[in-house]
Amino acid sequence: AQSVTQPDARVTVSEGASLQLRCKYSSSVTPYLFWYVQYPRQGLQLLLKYYSGDPVVQGVNGFEAEFSKSNSSFHLRKASVHWSDSAVYFCAVSMGTNAYKVIFGKGTHLHVLP
Amino acid sequence: NSKVIQTPRYLVKGQGQKAKMRCIPEKGHPVVFWYQQNKNNEFKFLINFQNQEVLQQIDMTEKRFSAECPSNSPCSLEIQSSEAGDSALYLCASRDWGQDTQYFGPGTRLLVL
Repeated sequence: AQSVTQPDARVTVSEGASLQLRCKYSSSVTPYLFWYVQYPRQGLQLLLKYYSGDPVVQGVNGFEAEFSKSNSSFHLRKASVHWSDSAVYFCAVSMGTNAYKVIFGKGTHLHVLP
Repeated sequence: NSKVIQTPRYLVKGQGQKAKMRCIPEKGHPVVFWYQQNKNNEFKFLINFQNQEVLQQIDMTEKRFSAECPSNSPCSLEIQSSEAGDSALYLCASRDWGQDTQYFGPGTRLLVL
């Protein structure tokens, strides 16, 4: 069965600092990989996704993620965070299109100090 | 940005009461999913539809939960007899056929007292 692990429940960084949020997945084949963000009292917004091609994918608001097949990882990065990036970030996988469900990690709560 | 609409945003029910929430998927998206997100940020897949037909659902859904996606009407998720453990954020998502990305609505936050 597929699973997603986000080892850091909470990350605190200062505004302007760089950021990496870690994600590892378990799957017998390379799944579709996603990062979603959830702001307080809101739903999930897609930041970026990956299935194949260049292992570094660009997303919205300056976020990028790097896929590593050897490490089964899909870490999220940002060069310089803003206080408005404070939110919960979820790494997720899906085994396919159409009816395949999404499996989420338990999220990393990012707190950006102004 | 997602155009999935969910109503109501908040729902408060007593134990044993019915709780019903609705979802309008993005226009043209035939596949609709319902997930439950608890306070520990654990997501549970509940059910999905292709147009009006149920594709997959979990056992929990079969017992107290019911859902439908009628033609030309919002999709709905109903809990027949709410329990305290049902308190959670219920997220609806939709996906176009052949596409990999699910787009989520803002959710309905259910509190069962």
